[in-house]
Amino acid sequence: DTGVSQDPRHKITKRGQNVTFRCDPISEHNRLYWYRQTLGQGPEFLTYFQNEAQLEKSRLLSDRFSAERPKGSFSTLEIQRTEQGDSAMYLCASSSMVNTEAFFGQGTRLTVV
Amino acid sequence: GQQVMQIPQYQHVQEGEDFTTYCNSSTTLSNIQWYKQRPGGHPVFLIQLVKSGEVKKQKRLTFRFGEAKKNSSLHITATQTTDVGTYFCAGKINAGGTSYGKLTFGQGTILTVHP
Repeated sequence: DTGVSQDPRHKITKRGQNVTFRCDPISEHNRLYWYRQTLGQGPEFLTYFQNEAQLEKSRLLSDRFSAERPKGSFSTLEIQRTEQGDSAMYLCASSSMVNTEAFFGQGTRLTVV
Repeated sequence: GQQVMQIPQYQHVQEGEDFTTYCNSSTTLSNIQWYKQRPGGHPVFLIQLVKSGEVKKQKRLTFRFGEAKKNSSLHITATQTTDVGTYFCAGKINAGGTSYGKLTFGQGTILTVHP
């Protein structure tokens, strides 16, 4: 297993376009998290899945953001009608139920122009 | 909402000097985790503290969890250039016996080490 992988690594999009990111967690991990990180800040929680169930979603998260984990394996994060303020690094992490340390992927860097 | 504050924001040290970063939560935590992020990299797990007053050591790194489970610290003895990076604490709340999944990260402390 190669750890948490995210695709794409970089995405440049025009304001108003929709984007979708994919995260493949460590295979035996049933917990999956999405975070957003801007320069000079710590990762900011977006949403959390346990298997296919989305158990938590940040109240700061706009309705333009949606995440899915349909089969309890990979997850997608979609941002509709992107805005310049959405420019950030989007990090995915996974963990097991027993050991709660989070393993992060390399992230997807989104630039909205 | 829950906040995790971390100080200092930056720390510049000469190689061989010690370094400490402090983390404070507005609410009691079920556990606290520490991560290191190298420039251009992603956060990498260092350690988790669960018990009140817990102290754990990893070679030159010493991690402490406060008695009230609302604060924590990371101390590095005799820093090396390989210690360069941003150190984040991340707390997990425990409300009503339920351990929520999310981690709330501090802003991080950026450590630079001059050789």
